Amino acid sequence: KNQVEQSPQSLIILEGKNCTLQCNYTVSPFSNLRWYKQDTGRGPVSLTIMTFSENTKSNGRYTATLDADTKQSSLHITASQLSDSASYICVVSANSGGYNKLIFGAGTRLAVHP
Amino acid sequence: GAVVSQHPSWVICKSGTSVKIECRSLDFQATTMFWYRQFPKQSLMLMATSNEGSKATYEQGVEKDKFLINHASLTLSTLTVTSAHPEDSSFYICSASKMTGAAYEQYFGPGTRLTVT
Repeated sequence: KNQVEQSPQSLIILEGKNCTLQCNYTVSPFSNLRWYKQDTGRGPVSLTIMTFSENTKSNGRYTATLDADTKQSSLHITASQLSDSASYICVVSANSGGYNKLIFGAGTRLAVHP
Repeated sequence: GAVVSQHPSWVICKSGTSVKIECRSLDFQATTMFWYRQFPKQSLMLMATSNEGSKATYEQGVEKDKFLINHASLTLSTLTVTSAHPEDSSFYICSASKMTGAAYEQYFGPGTRLTVT
């Protein structure tokens, strides 16, 4: 069964600190892995997308890693800001019948406190 | 760019009435659009895949007669919640598919908050 599991479920950090969010997946056949940021009451916004051959990808203060052998990914946020408070969703794309089907993780709710 | 809009952003309706939600791709054409539902503190759940000019494909457990989807043009898909009940209250998000590089990328709308009283 295709599944995406994220940890922790929620996280509180102080402004300026770093944090790392985890994503484990069992999805086949794997196409790509994406991290999205979703502010409360808004739609998800893409942060990074990685294919099987990519190990790391950065987008400003966000750095995602991918280990296709262990089927694990992480999202590292550097020098957190109050505006980073949001849900971060790991989404794995499975190639199904010629098109990509997205498998969503439950998300990690991050709260950045001053 | 790849901007997707939804209208309305929020709606309150009475039980038993129908509500229509629009999803538009503003600066690109989308053959395929998707409709998701998200309950509080849960992730997005795919409801249906909407293909322009053909019938939508519904996920298991989603009533196609209750959630009517129309994708009449390459920039517009609509979701109509018929005979809405309080348990239909949720956050509805659409996405539109666009070829980006060598793969199709889904671009999400801002969502529509539906409250059924």
